[in-house]
Amino acid sequence: TQLLEQSPQFLSIQEGENLTVYCNSSSVFSSLQWYRQEPGEGPVLLVTVVTGGEVKKLKRLTFQFGDARKDSSLHITAAQPGDTGLYLCAGEREDSSYKLIFGSGTRLLVRP
Amino acid sequence: SQTIHQWPATLVQPVGSPLSLECTVEGTSNPNLYWYRQAAGRGLQLLFYSVGIGQISSEVPQNLSASRPQDRQFILSSKKLLLSDSGFYLCAWSLKGADEQYFGPGTRLTVT
Repeated sequence: TQLLEQSPQFLSIQEGENLTVYCNSSSVFSSLQWYRQEPGEGPVLLVTVVTGGEVKKLKRLTFQFGDARKDSSLHITAAQPGDTGLYLCAGEREDSSYKLIFGSGTRLLVRP
Repeated sequence: SQTIHQWPATLVQPVGSPLSLECTVEGTSNPNLYWYRQAAGRGLQLLFYSVGIGQISSEVPQNLSASRPQDRQFILSSKKLLLSDSGFYLCAWSLKGADEQYFGPGTRLTVT
């Protein structure tokens, strides 16, 4: 059972377009993180959100944590080829400390 | 600053051979340590985690085992590899619970 569902699984867009990636669950998370991974490398932490309704911005990336802390979204404005990669959401469940549950990932390709 | 090392970077092993992957962390004390496996372009599957020396929690029954002989050393082992053990193995560390994990560069294992 996949506790964190990411959509879409794959996204191919033109440079300059906007996009949103979704991460959904029926479970409540005490925190949720987004990572970006390039081929052959380990994931790199982008952001952590901990409060329901929280919005964080990282340059052209906007992250939002759902009010009920069950879902999150990542919005990229004016995508660039350097944004290409695998985006992973991961949540720490309230009833399961020390462990992160990872989503299946969204592979983003930004074409120049 | 903290750094995490994994070796080897790539490994090709025949079915039935033993395995030993090593992960070490520098610049921090008493980290939580994790081993993940990732299928191509997909999310991460937690294999083992450790909150202290000699303390190992297994998440998925399988052909693998883990050990933590020192505070900042985490080892993934197998006595006899299976074809299904092929994958990208990632080690990670965190300081508080599962929050904000930092990943190593990974080991690409191919079992032939």
